[in-house]
Amino acid sequence: DGGITQSPKYLFRKEGQNVTLSCEQNLNHDAMYWYRQDPGQGLRLIYYSQIVNDFQKGDIAEGYSVSREKKESFPLTVTSAQKNPTAFYLCASSIADRDSPLHFGNGTRLTVT
Amino acid sequence: GQQVMQIPQYQHVQEGEDFTTYCNSSTTLSNIQWYKQRPGGHPVFLIQLVKSGEVKKQKRLTFQFGEAKKNSSLHITATQTTDVGTYFCAGTDSWGKLQFGAGTQVVVTP
Repeated sequence: DGGITQSPKYLFRKEGQNVTLSCEQNLNHDAMYWYRQDPGQGLRLIYYSQIVNDFQKGDIAEGYSVSREKKESFPLTVTSAQKNPTAFYLCASSIADRDSPLHFGNGTRLTVT
Repeated sequence: GQQVMQIPQYQHVQEGEDFTTYCNSSTTLSNIQWYKQRPGGHPVFLIQLVKSGEVKKQKRLTFQFGEAKKNSSLHITATQTTDVGTYFCAGTDSWGKLQFGAGTQVVVTP
């Protein structure tokens, strides 16, 4: 079955620590995305990548970093510089066409205390 | 600010009733997509509309794209408890950026 796998489902960290969220897809999609969702809000784009070894900042990239060394993988690091890191993080992928719909992973709920 | 607005933010519906949620953009969109997110789940793609004035149906769900390609609506007839969730619209603007609305959270009362 093709899909997007995010791990772990729940993650707890102390303030001041960096944490990396995993996202792997076997859909052979070129484009991958990271979104952040806060309660009662829509999806805000953090970073996206349309091809291996290339990625672009989204609307709220500050305090986050990504890498795209393989087509299948797009890990997100939440750094200690991110002021309000507690949120639900969603990874998505699509074919490269800009109008293509997104396929989302199950998400990772990060809690930083 | 947010370019794609959705109303209402919350929709309480009695089971069996109909309701409509609206999506409005300040700019022309090349397409509109609708997603559904069940409580505790992730957004799942429902449908995409591309043409001006386009109407598509999925069982009890009717999706419409406005003539000016700036607004869209989702109408659900005979609401069921399985319709519970948050419905998001997302449109691609002229810069090729996908803009999500904040969503309409639907609660169904049996």
